[in-house]
Amino acid sequence: DGGITQSPKYLFRKEGQNVTLSCEQNLNHDAMYWYRQDPGQGLRLIYYSQIVNDFQKGDIAEGYSVSREKKESFPLTVTSAQKNPTAFYLCASSILGDGRPQHFGDGTRLSIL
Amino acid sequence: AQSVTQPDIHITVSEGASLELRCNYSYGATPYLFWYVQSPGQGLQLLLKYFSGDTLVQGIKGFEAEFKRSQSSFNLRKPSVHWSDAAEYFCAVGAYSGAGSYQLTFGKGTKLSVIP
Repeated sequence: DGGITQSPKYLFRKEGQNVTLSCEQNLNHDAMYWYRQDPGQGLRLIYYSQIVNDFQKGDIAEGYSVSREKKESFPLTVTSAQKNPTAFYLCASSILGDGRPQHFGDGTRLSIL
Repeated sequence: AQSVTQPDIHITVSEGASLELRCNYSYGATPYLFWYVQSPGQGLQLLLKYFSGDTLVQGIKGFEAEFKRSQSSFNLRKPSVHWSDAAEYFCAVGAYSGAGSYQLTFGKGTKLSVIP
């Protein structure tokens, strides 16, 4: 079955460390997205990509970086510049075009040690 | 810019009772509207979507939603709630951002608790 795989499910980071969250999709979707979810805040867009080797900042990109070297993969790096990284991170993908719904992975929970 | 408001942070209903979750949006043109459901520690699952046409849309798990342009609302309903419906529900509007790309903007969610 097609879907989106996020790994790991749980991730712990020490102060000053960069960590990378994996997101892979086999839905053949062109667009991919990273969201951050905090309690009571809904989902906030970090970065998105509509095509390989191209990506754009979302509403809260500071302290994060991404790459899109393959259509199937869109890893997110949480850098040491992100001062409050503890959150639930969700990856999504969609077909390009108006009105297309996004399909979500099961998320990665990042915590600071 | 588009925005979504879900006025109720937390709703509790009895099993078997009817349910209505409220969603109001702000967008200058005809919006694309979605409802998603999220179980604890999981991703979001699409319940239903509205693009155009019939203003009452049917979704999975017995849910439906009605688009009311005059009220800028897209409320989610279910006639009889089951204990397994306990989850968090998110309304979203799809629209073009200032950068010219199509994106979803989510509300902050409504947590549903079900009393047996």
